[in-house]
This record gives sequence, C-alpha cells and structure tokens, in this order.
Amino acid sequence: GQQLNQSPQSMFIQEGEDVSMNCTSSSIFNTWLWYKQDPGEGPVLLIALYKAGELTSNGRLTAQFGITRKDSFLNISASIPSDVGIYFCAGQPYIQGAQKLVFGQGTRLTINP
Amino acid sequence: GAGVSQTPSNKVTEKGKYVELRCDPISGHTALYWYRQSLGQGPEFLIYFQGTGAADDSGLPNDRFFAVRPEGSVSTLKIQRTERGDSAVYLCASSPRTSGVRTDTQYFGPGTRLTVL
Repeated sequence: GQQLNQSPQSMFIQEGEDVSMNCTSSSIFNTWLWYKQDPGEGPVLLIALYKAGELTSNGRLTAQFGITRKDSFLNISASIPSDVGIYFCAGQPYIQGAQKLVFGQGTRLTINP
Repeated sequence: GAGVSQTPSNKVTEKGKYVELRCDPISGHTALYWYRQSLGQGPEFLIYFQGTGAADDSGLPNDRFFAVRPEGSVSTLKIQRTERGDSAVYLCASSPRTSGVRTDTQYFGPGTRLTVL
C-alpha cells in the first residue's frame, strides 16, 4: 500500500531553535496535511496544503506542498516548550473519491529548556 | 462545542473475546472514519462512512473487523475473536462533508486504547 516516509524520527533541540521535518512518498498525493499529537489525545490539524507548490503559514509554523506532489516539509520557528509532541504528515491519495488519509510514522520533538 | 468522543477510553480483554468500540462524531458531520494506531506508528486507515453506508472499507485487516453506523451518527467498531496483535489505539474522526476532490478537515477523537491479553 501507499506509504509516507517521514524524517527525522526524533529531534532533541534547545528552546528557541528552529525545527524542520519532511515527508516523501513514491506516490502522488492530492492533499498534504500536518498534524500534532499529544499523549492520550487524537491528532490535531496544524496546516493543510491543497496545491502543488503551495506555501502556507500558521503562526510560527510553515509548510510546503512539493511541486512533484510527492513531498512536503514543515518548519517550526523559535520553538517553545508547548511545541513538544509527535508531528505527523498525512496525505490524501490522488484517487477519485478517496477520502482516507495516509500517515507518516511521526517525528517526536523534545525540547530542552 | 463538543468534539468527537470515544468510549471506552481503555479496554482490556482476553484473546478470543468480542469487543465493541463506540464513536460519537461531531453533531452534523456526515463523514466518519476509523483509524488504528500501533505504538510508535502513525494512524492507519480502517474504514470510512458517508452517512449510513461504508464508502471505503479497504483498510479493514480481515473479516474479524466490522463497523456500523445505522443512523448516520454514532458508529461502532466491532472486533470478533480478538488477537494480541489487535492491541492498539483505535481512533475515530469525523468531517462535515466530503467532496470529490478535496477532503474536509478530519477532527479526531482521543481514541480507545485496546489491550488484548
């Protein structure tokens, strides 16, 4: 089945540093999404991308939908303690009528104060 | 407003038993999704409902898994003859509607943690 390769698997950074993570796929995706998941909670949507090449910001978060439709990245600037958590990329397959999401394996972000 | 709720939050059962997991979507949302999340992994799609009907059940791993949404609101995921490999967090999500091209935002519940001993 379709898979998303997300990297890095984990990051240990100092508060105030910038963060970058990315996702790649061998298949084309129609939509790219970035979610954050805290312990014991479901994923919460951070940014949604709908067009190839689209660059979107949400506060300190910036994400881009790759031109080839096979990749996306998420940047977090000036990290703060509440950014700790697991970040997932997700894509909607480029199949008519497909509504399911395919998720990456996650990037666990740890911040040292 | 109320988000997606799932019950129970935790379920411990023995191998071979039958379990039911419940999802209450956000009021008015017509689309409902079930995902399974194993430890250290991202969620994996199981099944998607549009209204009362299962529009895509391609993610159900085998015929021990079944889901219903009889009135187009609450959904129940049913697992027969549970196996230790079924242990995971089962997530439910809902969205307002669907379109042919763009997926609506899926709002996730907190999940049910299933442990099969």
